[in-house]
Formats: sequence, structure tokens, C-alpha cells
Amino acid sequence: DTAVSQTPKYLVTQMGNDKSIKCEQNLGHDTMYWYKQDSKKFLKIMFSYNNKELIINETVPNRFSPKSPDKAHLNLHINSLELGDSAVYFCASSQGLAGSRGGADTQYFGPGTRLTVL
Amino acid sequence: SQQGEEDPQALSIQEGENATMNCSYKTSINNLQWYRQNSGRGLVHLILIRSNEREKHSGRLRVTLDTSKKSSSLLITASRAADTASYFCATWAGGTSYGKLTFGQGTILTVHP
Repeated sequence: DTAVSQTPKYLVTQMGNDKSIKCEQNLGHDTMYWYKQDSKKFLKIMFSYNNKELIINETVPNRFSPKSPDKAHLNLHINSLELGDSAVYFCASSQGLAGSRGGADTQYFGPGTRLTVL
Repeated sequence: SQQGEEDPQALSIQEGENATMNCSYKTSINNLQWYRQNSGRGLVHLILIRSNEREKHSGRLRVTLDTSKKSSSLLITASRAADTASYFCATWAGGTSYGKLTFGQGTILTVHP
């Protein structure tokens, strides 16, 4: 049973296309995240949702739009893909919202989606 | 700018040796976490140390935290080939930063059998 799953695992597409990445967690967690890992392995948070409410929205181009239909799912839609969007995108989840219980909760990561924009 | 920076960027050792990785950060933190990433996989949480703690152990892992120097170290004792992975430190600033972990660039550890 996969705790945090993402689809697809690999995504190759042309510049200008629109694509979506899906994420699901079966841990019963309230909080989900999207991270971007670049070619130098630098991992940066993009978004965080808590109980379907947007909590963190880092400086991300508005071509990126997260959608949380329920607290077990957090999808990432990307419009007008650019070469610089090529990266590995990780979804993660945690029990609660860090800070609510005095400390950051452990985050559980999905396997990643490698996006290549040609 | 990047919060956590790891040192060394790459470490190559023989099985059975100890591996030490360091992490430095810039701003005050509430806690610091270490994660492992195997090639082509997501990150796996290893250990969390709070700002009021100086040392923590978990199995073959030992983490230290020096808030005056804004640095942490991860020691893996008696390393195994299966420990080969990238290791990242991540800091949480506390307060209203909620779930925002700030990651370092990682140390690539290679353990030769």
C-alpha cells in the first residue's frame, strides 16, 4: 500500500502545453505539499494545503495552480509549460499543520514526477 | 536564498566506516530534520531535533545541533552499502511558517562494499 502516490512518474511534453500531476495520500493526513527539485537537487516548497485550504503559496508563477478536491488529493496543474519547468515534482503530506502542535510534523514524500519540457 | 547548506556535497567511504555530514543554516529555527533520498525516489524522514536539544540518536544515526553556530551534523556509524543516498537537512522556523520546511542542497553519500 503506497502512502503517498503520484501520477505520472514521468512526463515528457512540448513547450506551451498544459499538463497535470496527480497526488493522493492514504495516510489520513490533513496537510499536503508540492515541492520542486531542480537539476542540482535543490528542493523548494511550492504550495501547501491544509484541509483543502491553501496555506503556503511560495513565489511560483501563476501558471502553476494546485487543486485539492478533498484532503486526500492535491493535484498540480501547469499551464503553458516552459523549458525551466523541467524538474522533479514531489508531493508530500503530514499529519497536521506544523506549528499547531509546537513542531513541524514529519513529512511523507511521494516518489516524484520527472517532468521534461522539450 | 537557501537556508540550509550541506557539507560536503559528496562523500565516498568504505562499508563499515562512519559518515559525517554537516548542515549550516542562516536564520533561527524551531527544529531541524534530516531526510534521506535514494536515487529516483522520494525523501524519507530520518530524525528530528528541536532547537532546545543538543544531540539525538536513532539506531546508527546521531544528530547534533549547535544553535549558536547555526549548524547540525548527521553521523552514520558503521555504514552499509544500503546507506548510499542523498541526505538533506531541512529547517522549520516555527511561528507562522507552518509546514514550510527549507531544505539544503544535500550530501551525496556513496558507501562502497
